[in-house]
Amino acid sequence: LAKTTQPISMDSYEGQEVNITCSHNNIATNDYITWYQQFPSQGPRFIIQGYKTKVTNEVASLFIPADRKSSTLSLPRVSLSDTAVYYCLVGDGDTGRRALTFGSGTRLQVQP
Amino acid sequence: DGGITQSPKYLFRKEGQNVTLSCEQNLNHDAMYWYRQDPGQGLRLIYYSQIVNDFQKGDIAEGYSVSREKKESFPLTVTSAQKNPTAFYLCASSPYHDGTAKNIQYFGAGTRLSVL
Repeated sequence: LAKTTQPISMDSYEGQEVNITCSHNNIATNDYITWYQQFPSQGPRFIIQGYKTKVTNEVASLFIPADRKSSTLSLPRVSLSDTAVYYCLVGDGDTGRRALTFGSGTRLQVQP
Repeated sequence: DGGITQSPKYLFRKEGQNVTLSCEQNLNHDAMYWYRQDPGQGLRLIYYSQIVNDFQKGDIAEGYSVSREKKESFPLTVTSAQKNPTAFYLCASSPYHDGTAKNIQYFGAGTRLSVL
């Protein structure tokens, strides 16, 4: 299974841009990179997914370098409500199991 | 209103008792999953099912059992063999291939299980 490494925690202030990097050195050719957000006592929620270069949606951007061995989730102008745990997953849906390793995630704390 | 429904929200288990957690989805998704989350930890995969009448063990299947008799339902039984069942249990489903993204999972609100 592709293993991911993320920082355990990060702190930020409201209005700042936050970048969370995930390392996945043994990513396979068919693997996608998916990020989820989890609030306390809730299930994770899908944020964004990408394969290469840059992906942007209304919530975040995902930057993936050419070698795809890492990825960076970018949250623009965070607010207090962005305080959550963020998980990076790597895998391709075809093999089911490979995309299901959540790890410990990155705990983001946003302060006023 | 489409989504995944887990019940009950809170559940208490006595010593030696089996309890069943319900998970129902009306998203017409093929795949369903059960995870366990301990305080301050990430999610660990218990079981998953890619199709009706078939399921696979995850990383921590011992002491748990599942069934997948219907596409929309994937109940999890925590048996008496699971000696430390206190945790937050999350059910998820995915379309497996929805044409736009690979294996995005949609989660229920969770069931918090405690031992009396």
